[in-house]
Amino acid sequence: DVKVTQSSRYLVKRTGEKVFLECVQDMDHENMFWYRQDPGLGLRLIYFSYDVKMKEKGDIPEGYSVSREKKERFSLILESASTNQTSMYLCASSLPFSKNIQYFGAGTRLSVL
Amino acid sequence: AQTVTQSQPEMSVQEAETVTLSCTYDTSENNYYLFWYKQPPSRQMILVIRQEAYKQQNATENRFSVNFQKAAKSFSLKISDSQLGDTAMYFCAFAAPSTSGTYKYIFGTGTRLKVLA
Repeated sequence: DVKVTQSSRYLVKRTGEKVFLECVQDMDHENMFWYRQDPGLGLRLIYFSYDVKMKEKGDIPEGYSVSREKKERFSLILESASTNQTSMYLCASSLPFSKNIQYFGAGTRLSVL
Repeated sequence: AQTVTQSQPEMSVQEAETVTLSCTYDTSENNYYLFWYKQPPSRQMILVIRQEAYKQQNATENRFSVNFQKAAKSFSLKISDSQLGDTAMYFCAFAAPSTSGTYKYIFGTGTRLKVLA
């Protein structure tokens, strides 16, 4: 079974802090994704990566950056956390091209105070 | 722009009954995939069913089936013989290639389904 592991289930940070959300997958997937999930808005794509050191902006990249130094790990960085970044963050991974089923982590619920 | 619309925020169904969740999408792409994902309360999102746009035959997975109407851009999910474990948030999603060739997903806003005993 594919396993996508997010380092924290719950996280509480203060406004202005630099925040790192980590995601690791164990199935050698080329593609990895970061979403945020908000009630009534569904899942919105922040960034994705299709290879080591390669990334592409999603629909809501503002205020976020990402890092992929190793194939299995994809980090989401909030350079200066703000209260409007309080949300559930979901990581996902997939094989490339037509083998595009996404496998999700359990999510990190981030509260920025 | 590609969009996915789920017009039913909440639904309920009696155990053992059948329920249909609606989804419409908008795209100018020809090469795309459609999905239904399930997110049980406090649990991970998992794939329910997947449909390739070039296939006319509707996908089925045990008690789950879709009604894919390509011309109408409609992709509904039918759950037969509903079980208490089907209680979850259901997301409809669309995926098409991005500029890098990676399939990029667009999700709907979700339908919260409650199965009643």
